[in-house]
Amino acid sequence: DGGITQSPKYLFRKEGQNVTLSCEQNLNHDAMYWYRQDPGQGLRLIYYSQIVNDFQKGDIAEGYSVSREKKESFPLTVTSAQKNPTAFYLCASSQGAAQHFGDGTRLSIL
Amino acid sequence: SQQGEEDPQALSIQEGENATMNCSYKTSINNLQWYRQNSGRGLVHLILIRSNEREKHSGRLRVTLDTSKKSSSLLITASRAADTASYFCATAPPSNDYKLSFGAGTTVTVRA
Repeated sequence: DGGITQSPKYLFRKEGQNVTLSCEQNLNHDAMYWYRQDPGQGLRLIYYSQIVNDFQKGDIAEGYSVSREKKESFPLTVTSAQKNPTAFYLCASSQGAAQHFGDGTRLSIL
Repeated sequence: SQQGEEDPQALSIQEGENATMNCSYKTSINNLQWYRQNSGRGLVHLILIRSNEREKHSGRLRVTLDTSKKSSSLLITASRAADTASYFCATAPPSNDYKLSFGAGTTVTVRA
């Protein structure tokens, strides 16, 4: 089945550590996205990529980094510069306006 | 920035009743989308309505769009327990379809 796979489902980070969240899609979509969701709130865009080897900052890019070396993959690194990283992170892809989402990674600070 | 705002924040209805939720937005749009999120899961795209459309149907879903009032509504008819979820509207500016802005959502609980 085509879809988006995010791993791991749960992730714990120690203070000062960088962590990388994985996102893989087999939908052959050109565009991919990373969002952050805090409790009781909507999604906020971190980074997006319209095509391989290209990406742009979203509304809250500070403290995060991404790469897009392959069409299928768009990993997100939460760096130690992100002071409040505890959140639910969602990856999406699209070919057109409608976005298809993975089931998220919940990141917590130890 | 969160452009869309849903109203109400929460809604509790009996199975079989209709559920209506509203979305208001601030700036011009090309289209407006509605998504559903079950607890702890990703979002699922429900329906997209373009700025030149006024109403759209998909199964038990009916969406309206009033660009003069910058508002949209989502109606779920004959609700079922499986409709229990949070519902979000999302808009993008005409200059960039990739930059969706989501509201905080409406949490719908359908009681059996």
